[in-house]
Amino acid sequence: QVQLVESGGGVVQPGASLRVSCAASGFGFSSHGMHWVRQAPGKGLEWVAYIGLDGSDDHYVNSVKGRFTISRDNSKNTLFLQTSSLRPEDTGVYLCARARLDGHDVDLWGQGTLVSVSS
Amino acid sequence: DIQLTQSPPFLSASVGDRVTITCRASQGIHIFLAWYQQRPGKAPNVLIYEASNLYSGVPSRFSGSGSGTEFTLTISSLQPEDLGTYYCQQLSNYPLTFGGGTKVEIK
Repeated sequence: QVQLVESGGGVVQPGASLRVSCAASGFGFSSHGMHWVRQAPGKGLEWVAYIGLDGSDDHYVNSVKGRFTISRDNSKNTLFLQTSSLRPEDTGVYLCARARLDGHDVDLWGQGTLVSVSS
Repeated sequence: DIQLTQSPPFLSASVGDRVTITCRASQGIHIFLAWYQQRPGKAPNVLIYEASNLYSGVPSRFSGSGSGTEFTLTISSLQPEDLGTYYCQQLSNYPLTFGGGTKVEIK
């Protein structure tokens, strides 16, 4: 079954760190770029980060640069987002997303994992 | 950063109506625009890529057009299952950005 399953979300205090993961199955993970997208409660979609096929190419939204790191383990078909210095405005559902083979637009989404930053 | 402005932010239409949603970019993005549908409580689904290409399995009542700074998503005959929020996304420059969304309600 072709799917993306996120895990690792939780409730943390401001300033904390958290690593969220995304397990891919049913397709050639190493052949696709991957994204993290987040959605604050009741709000729209916000793109967070992208990583290329072998991990050497990455990009971030300005608000998380220097605090978040996207990485991947192609041997384990897993995508990661290491977050640090978390702020209340980082609260939201973090969605793992697969880039289409010939482009960067998303053709497969996970269901998301909730990260809540609150004191 | 490239800003995407969607209009209208909300629309209410009847089954069978033709619906058009507009997405305007703050600078030219060629055809590097995608459209997604997000039904309530669900993850998004891709509808259109590269401005006008219908993604496999998406009903033919959905279509996209435009290039440069102005794009449209059209639903030729609105169906009950089309309720939800629609987002455009530009893939021309990093950071990638989404429009604010258009919430579609069925009358």
